[in-house]
Amino acid sequence: EAEVAQSPRYKITEKSQAVAFWCDPISGHATLYWYRQILGQGPELLVQFQDESVVDDSQLPKDRFSAERLKGVDSTLKIQPAELGDSAMYLCASSVAAGTYNEQFFGPGTRLTVL
Amino acid sequence: AQSVTQPDIHITVSEGASLELRCNYSYGATPYLFWYVQSPGQGLQLLLKYFSGDTLVQGIKGFEAEFKRSQSSFNLRKPSVHWSDAAEYFCAVGRGGGGADGLTFGKGTHLIIQP
Repeated sequence: EAEVAQSPRYKITEKSQAVAFWCDPISGHATLYWYRQILGQGPELLVQFQDESVVDDSQLPKDRFSAERLKGVDSTLKIQPAELGDSAMYLCASSVAAGTYNEQFFGPGTRLTVL
Repeated sequence: AQSVTQPDIHITVSEGASLELRCNYSYGATPYLFWYVQSPGQGLQLLLKYFSGDTLVQGIKGFEAEFKRSQSSFNLRKPSVHWSDAAEYFCAVGRGGGGADGLTFGKGTHLIIQP
């Protein structure tokens, strides 16, 4: 069964360092989402891509976060510099196309700890 | 803006007993509603969804949910829980249509199963 792949699964870094997370969506899925899940909370959308274009990044802290999906396939989320409050699970999801009626399939996530 | 409230942070149920997890939403139009389950080390898995039509929807793993517009609720139920149902459960609402369609999640309910 096709799955969303994410790496690394765990990342520990010191504050002020740069970190990057990678996501490979299910093959053929045009829409890709990055969510952040703080411990004890539900996921919050950071950014949505349709192919290589950003559809929604209204909740992305653009002073330190950036995301790209250059060829419309895999995606990278970067934080520079990392802050203590960035410690969270970063989830990637994909769907066959935009539209809430299309199921979003989630990857296992990258757990980030900032020391 | 849409929002989701899950009033119960933790729920403890005996194995074999029935289960109901509460979810209330706030959204101006007809909502797209979802329940997801998250097990430790796993990504989010869709249990069921409601878009329109029959207000009682069936999902995977024996779960069902009922949409009640008058109460702005979408409660999740299962007649008999199994130890493997222990997990975090998230209710989510989507805006529908195309374009920006990231989901808004509640804070989750942690389900504990007693033997």
